[in-house]
Amino acid sequence: AQRVTQPEKLLSVFKGAPVELKCNYSYSGSPELFWYVQYSRQRLQLLLRHISRESIKGFTADLNKGETSFHLKKPFAQEEDSAMYYCALSVNNDYKLSFGAGTTVTVRA
Amino acid sequence: GAGVSQSPSNKVTEKGKDVELRCDPISGHTALYWYRQSLGQGLEFLIYFQGNSAPDKSGLPSDRFSAERTGGSVSTLTIQRTQQEDSAVYLCASSRPGRGTDTQYFGPGTRLTVL
Repeated sequence: AQRVTQPEKLLSVFKGAPVELKCNYSYSGSPELFWYVQYSRQRLQLLLRHISRESIKGFTADLNKGETSFHLKKPFAQEEDSAMYYCALSVNNDYKLSFGAGTTVTVRA
Repeated sequence: GAGVSQSPSNKVTEKGKDVELRCDPISGHTALYWYRQSLGQGLEFLIYFQGNSAPDKSGLPSDRFSAERTGGSVSTLTIQRTQQEDSAVYLCASSRPGRGTDTQYFGPGTRLTVL
């Protein structure tokens, strides 16, 4: 079965510093990868998906099939980026999402 | 428009009691999902409804858990004879019909505490 690993439970960076959230997956085929975010007192929401190849709120993520990774990056973190981030995976156009355990990001002034 | 709503927002119950959690999806969304978010763990898929098709119950952790969806809209997740390990945040999500990987829109969750 597919699996998503987020090795960092907590990540603390200073405002203006780069931030990278790691996500690795185990699946031999072609998955679809997503990043979901949950800000304090807000609902879980989609941040971005790899098929869109878009940058949302300054975040980008590249699917690296060789390394089976989908790391989330932002060159200059802002305080409003403080949140819980979840990496998620879907296979074979399945509706089920497999989520990682999440990374809590704190951006300090 | 209104997003996914869930009730109650918090539920405290005693071990052994039954609980019902409710989810109102976004109007027009035919796909509905239940997830469980336990402390320190990711979201765990529980059950999926799509239109009039038979639900995918493969994620339900035990036969104490059941869910139904009436009229293709509102869904109720029932946990019978609750145990302390059932304590978690239960999230509901809905999505448009179409491809399986349509964006899922989440509700605010119900925090269940079993004493």
